[in-house]
Amino acid sequence: GAVVSQHPSRVICKSGTSVKIECRSLDFQATTMFWYRQFPKQSLMLMATSNEGSKATYEQGVEKDKFLINHASLTLSTLTVTSAHPEDSSFYICSARDSGGAWNEQFFGPGTRLTVL
Amino acid sequence: AQKITQTQPGMFVQEKEAVTLDCTYDTSDPSYGLFWYKQPSSGEMIFLIYQGSYDQQNATEGRYSLNFQKARKSANLVISASQLGDSAMYFCAMREGLGRTGNQFYFGTGTSLTVIP
Repeated sequence: GAVVSQHPSRVICKSGTSVKIECRSLDFQATTMFWYRQFPKQSLMLMATSNEGSKATYEQGVEKDKFLINHASLTLSTLTVTSAHPEDSSFYICSARDSGGAWNEQFFGPGTRLTVL
Repeated sequence: AQKITQTQPGMFVQEKEAVTLDCTYDTSDPSYGLFWYKQPSSGEMIFLIYQGSYDQQNATEGRYSLNFQKARKSANLVISASQLGDSAMYFCAMREGLGRTGNQFYFGTGTSLTVIP
């Protein structure tokens, strides 16, 4: 099946610093990618929908200035957590749809565990 | 209203027995898809099974089957012959607008399944 990678898989940073997380579709083109956040023992919460070549669509309550999303190519979307604070510590997961694939296909990355000290 | 409801926070099953994980959904869109994902402790989301709202028959994938009861808006996952490796979190999800692009997934709160040797 199609593969989505995320980098890094785990990151620890100091409060106030910025962290960039990459999401790549390795063997398909993805015009749309999704970013989720998952707190321990909770469900995945959609943060934003990333569209190639245009601005991301953020869900209500998600600060667009804090969580910067860039989808510059058909295979790469990045999420930058700016001025991270301990409450931003979470598991961040991206998913991508194959632009030429079936409607029911959506592939998830392995996730990035962010810890802000 | 919750789009996806999973009422079982935790379930236990004896190895080699079958188990049913409950999922109900809420939508007014006649076109939708229902999904089940497995999330082991590593965090990756593993796709298990898909059911389209217009599918006449219940979906099956190996030991997984989806008991789709459209009138009751339920999409329960049945795992037959449970194995120790089935121990994980299980998420039910829905995507509305069959065939339309960009629509998000709605996830339930998950069920933690533990298989007992």
